[in-house]
Amino acid sequence: AQKVTQAQTEISVVEKEDVTLDCVYETRDTTYYLFWYKQPPSGELVFLIRRNSFDEQNEISGRYSWNFQKSTSSFNFTITASQVVDSAVYFCALIVSGGSYIPTFGRGTSLIVHP
Amino acid sequence: DSGVTQTPKHLITATGQRVTLRCSPRSGDLSVYWYQQSLDQGLQFLIQYYNGEERAKGNILERFSAQQFPDLHSELNLSSLELGDSALYFCASSVDRRDSGNTIYFGEGSWLTVV
Repeated sequence: AQKVTQAQTEISVVEKEDVTLDCVYETRDTTYYLFWYKQPPSGELVFLIRRNSFDEQNEISGRYSWNFQKSTSSFNFTITASQVVDSAVYFCALIVSGGSYIPTFGRGTSLIVHP
Repeated sequence: DSGVTQTPKHLITATGQRVTLRCSPRSGDLSVYWYQQSLDQGLQFLIQYYNGEERAKGNILERFSAQQFPDLHSELNLSSLELGDSALYFCASSVDRRDSGNTIYFGEGSWLTVV
């Protein structure tokens, strides 16, 4: 069985601070996919990134970066120079190959960025 | 804009009533998923349809049912509604390409309030 843990329930920062959202996953499969989604206060769930288990390269997209480390089963998400618009709930998810391909989601981390 | 369209966006109804939520997937996507998001349960997978056939079932109550039509749109029917059914209901879709991790894209959700 697979599991995703987002231990941080809520993080509060002041604008321009860097913030890292943690995601730890559990699976016995060697082929799997990791995702991050953003849910702003308006409610929609927005896909941010997908990473497969064979690609441990870190990814950077503007102020967003993702650090994938198989050794620690983590797929952490860092926002650099946070902005108020980054305030949202962020979900990490896992799909394992050979299963149902239904993502297992973490409980989410609520990020509040204060001006 | 993910390309997944859900209606209605908001719905208020009384206990015991029945409602239907509608979803149009992204162009080209054959799979449709329904999720329920409530404060205490997080994101719960309900059911998946692929090209008109039920493919996977999650924590869907017997009072709830879904179907996917030949034009690939889907409906989620919720009956004998209870206060606890108040939640945000998401539809999502994907091409279901399992060799690429099956990224699913969510609609904006339908907010259901049962009073």
